[in-house]
Amino acid sequence: AQKVTQAQTEISVVEKEDVTLDCVYETRDTTYYLFWYKQPPSGELVFLIRRNSFDEQNEISGRYSWNFQKSTSSFNFTITASQVVDSAVYFCALSDPNTGNQFYFGTGTSLTVIP
Amino acid sequence: ETGVTQTPRHLVMGMTNKKSLKCEQHLGHNAMYWYKQSAKKPLELMFVYNFKEQTENNSVPSRFSPECPNSSHLFLHLHTLQPEDSALYLCASSQDWPSSYEQYFGPGTRLTVT
Repeated sequence: AQKVTQAQTEISVVEKEDVTLDCVYETRDTTYYLFWYKQPPSGELVFLIRRNSFDEQNEISGRYSWNFQKSTSSFNFTITASQVVDSAVYFCALSDPNTGNQFYFGTGTSLTVIP
Repeated sequence: ETGVTQTPRHLVMGMTNKKSLKCEQHLGHNAMYWYKQSAKKPLELMFVYNFKEQTENNSVPSRFSPECPNSSHLFLHLHTLQPEDSALYLCASSQDWPSSYEQYFGPGTRLTVT
């Protein structure tokens, strides 16, 4: 069965600190896709990144970076030099073709950046 | 308008009322989705439409009735809801279904059933 675990329910950091959000997934399939979304207080889930299971290269986009490790079934998300605008709930999700590409979301991590 | 829009943003309804949620996507996508987001729970996929045809119904109670008149519009008709149906209802779209590509979400409708 597919499953996504975000063990950190809530995290608080002081502005300018780095913070890593953990995501661990379960799937029996070799082909799958991983995603991160940001949900600010306004409610809309904002797409951040999509990664397929054959691409283990880490990715950096500005202050955001993602570390994909198949050996530990993890797809962690790091925000460098956090800012107040980063305060949101962050969701990790898994999709694989063998289940019709249905998205399986984690329960989310609520990040609060304190000025 | 750009992206995915939803109306109303907030809705309070009694258990005997009938109301509808509306979603519109301006992305040229062919697939649209309804999700339910309750506190402390993962997003729950409710319905999937691809090219106006319903392709998924994840055991959703019949008091929720979706309608997709075209690829750009999606409705969720509500009747005789229960208090436990109070949640954030999110609409999303993607290029097609099934698809490994990202889904784009609207801002949601915060529903309170009294």
